[in-house]
Amino acid sequence: DQQVKQNSPSLSVQEGRISILNCDYTNSMFDYFLWYKKYPAEGPTFLISISSIKDKNEDGRFTVFLNKSAKHLSLHIVPSQPGDSAVYFCAAINTGTASKLTFGTGTRLQVTL
Amino acid sequence: GAVVSQHPSRVICKSGTSVKIECRSLDFQATTMFWYRQFPKQSLMLMATSNEGSKATYEQGVEKDKFLINHASLTLSTLTVTSAHPEDSSFYICSARSGGRGETQYFGPGTRLLVL
Repeated sequence: DQQVKQNSPSLSVQEGRISILNCDYTNSMFDYFLWYKKYPAEGPTFLISISSIKDKNEDGRFTVFLNKSAKHLSLHIVPSQPGDSAVYFCAAINTGTASKLTFGTGTRLQVTL
Repeated sequence: GAVVSQHPSRVICKSGTSVKIECRSLDFQATTMFWYRQFPKQSLMLMATSNEGSKATYEQGVEKDKFLINHASLTLSTLTVTSAHPEDSSFYICSARSGGRGETQYFGPGTRLLVL
């Protein structure tokens, strides 16, 4: 049962444009969400997070939007840079339990010149 | 930012031997550490959760006698793969969480294990 889904396995965006990565979840008990960036053979790097009491969080070029009613979140990267090319994982936590991360399957972002 | 290290980064061993992987939080005290395994082209799979000074909690399907986890201090957790077999070959990643830093988990760089 995949509780966190990233339905787009890959995304290609031109440098300078906006990258939008999407994530859907099914468990309504999730109340904290995170985005990680991962290069091959490396551990994930934390990018940005959002609590369920908010609908938007912004940090530099990265903005995360949360739509609780739709159980949907998205990561916007603007402007996209070639160094952003990586696999992006969204993850969710139910902070009332053991704070275990439930990861999505990842979206591979390719930023082209 | 929070830094988590893992050692070794890569290990090759013979079938039947045991391998220990260390995970250290370098600039914060980790009340909780997590061990993940990543299969090729798949997401990270949580293996176990460990809190300092207590026994690890293993996810369903993970053999606790095969994957021994010790969280002896607030900055160090170890994963020992006992009697390793080729099917244990994988990418093992740890993460650490400090209560003072909220819910964010910070990940180590991972350890590539190859069992011959």
